[in-house]
Amino acid sequence: KQEVTQIPAALSVPEGENLVLNCSFTDSAIYNLQWFRQDPGKGLTSLLLIQSSQREQTSGRLNASLDKSSGRSTLYIAASQPGDSATYLCAVNPPGNFNKFYFGSGTKLNVKP
Amino acid sequence: EPEVTQTPSHQVTQMGQEVILRCVPISNHLYFYWYRQILGQKVEFLVSFYNNEISEKSEIFDDQFSVERPDGSNFTLKIRSTKLEDSAMYFCASSPGTGVETQYFGPGTRLLVL
Repeated sequence: KQEVTQIPAALSVPEGENLVLNCSFTDSAIYNLQWFRQDPGKGLTSLLLIQSSQREQTSGRLNASLDKSSGRSTLYIAASQPGDSATYLCAVNPPGNFNKFYFGSGTKLNVKP
Repeated sequence: EPEVTQTPSHQVTQMGQEVILRCVPISNHLYFYWYRQILGQKVEFLVSFYNNEISEKSEIFDDQFSVERPDGSNFTLKIRSTKLEDSAMYFCASSPGTGVETQYFGPGTRLLVL
């Protein structure tokens, strides 16, 4: 079964800093990888989806990269803002199957003003 | 922007009671999902649904659970006889069915079983 790990579990940075969140997965033959944001007590907001044939995706200040061979993805947040404070979740589809995601435990980010 | 909606936002029930959680997926989406998140734990896949039938389910989705699309807009999760360990946040999601299957999640229903 696919295991997804996110490091660090929590991160606190001052406003304006660039930061990287890490995600690793045990089975490199994934279908897609999706990054989500979760605010306390709320649902999941989709940030970026990287298909297995892609290396990276960008949206505004966010850039997600995928290295399937090493079983890793990173989410880069540029010029962090207090509004970026949330838990960031990484999720992967198993090979050839977009019907379900396996989720990591998340990185809880706090951006201090 | 279209979004997935869920009702109720909170539900408290007694152990052994039946609950129905409701979702309205994004209107032109073809795939529907339920996930759950027990407090402090990972989000877990329960079931996916396409063309009026279950396409995949996890080992969590046992005979106590069922899903239905009773009309053209609603998607429901029924738990027949709730247990204490069913207490969790339940998320509904949908995806377009175009092949690039970004899943869009609803805000969740927090279920508390007493």
